[in-house]
Amino acid sequence: EAEVAQSPRYKITEKSQAVAFWCDPISGHATLYWYRQILGQGPELLVQFQDESVVDDSQLPKDRFSAERLKGVDSTLKIQPAELGDSAMYLCASATVANTEAFFGQGTRLTVV
Amino acid sequence: GENVEQHPSTLSVQEGDSAVIKCTYSDSASNYFPWYKQELGKRPQLIIDIRSNVGEKKDQRIAVTLNKTAKHFSLHITETQPEDSAVYFCTDTGANSKLTFGKGITLSVRP
Repeated sequence: EAEVAQSPRYKITEKSQAVAFWCDPISGHATLYWYRQILGQGPELLVQFQDESVVDDSQLPKDRFSAERLKGVDSTLKIQPAELGDSAMYLCASATVANTEAFFGQGTRLTVV
Repeated sequence: GENVEQHPSTLSVQEGDSAVIKCTYSDSASNYFPWYKQELGKRPQLIIDIRSNVGEKKDQRIAVTLNKTAKHFSLHITETQPEDSAVYFCTDTGANSKLTFGKGITLSVRP
């Protein structure tokens, strides 16, 4: 069964360092989402792509976060510099198009020390 | 989505009883209403969804109802089981098709 792949599964980094997360959506899925989930809260949408275009990044802290999906397939989310408050689970999800079922990856657990 | 309210925030039921979770939305352009379940330590997964041209949808023990006039939709779980214990998220995708989540409702099923 096709799944959304994310790597790494776990990442520990020191504050002020750069960190990157990778997501490979299910083949053929044009819509890709990046979420941040802090323990005890719901997933917070950071950025939404339709193919290679950003549909929404209104909640992305653009001074330190960047996201790209250059060929409209896999995607990278970067944080530079990382801050203690960035510690969270980073989830990637994909869907054939918007307004259809979104499938989530297992996430990357980031700890900033 | 961003303007979806969920209530209650926590719900505890006895195994075998029914559970109902209600959500209200404000965007008249919303036309897709998915429900996601997230078990502790796991990723969110879609359990049922409904589109605005349908009033009710059922899948075994789970059903969702939509009242467009009142702008609310509800999740109904019958014959609850301990494995139904999880956080449930209701959301909508409005005109901008953003998939956003609220705080969720924590359902506890007591054995």
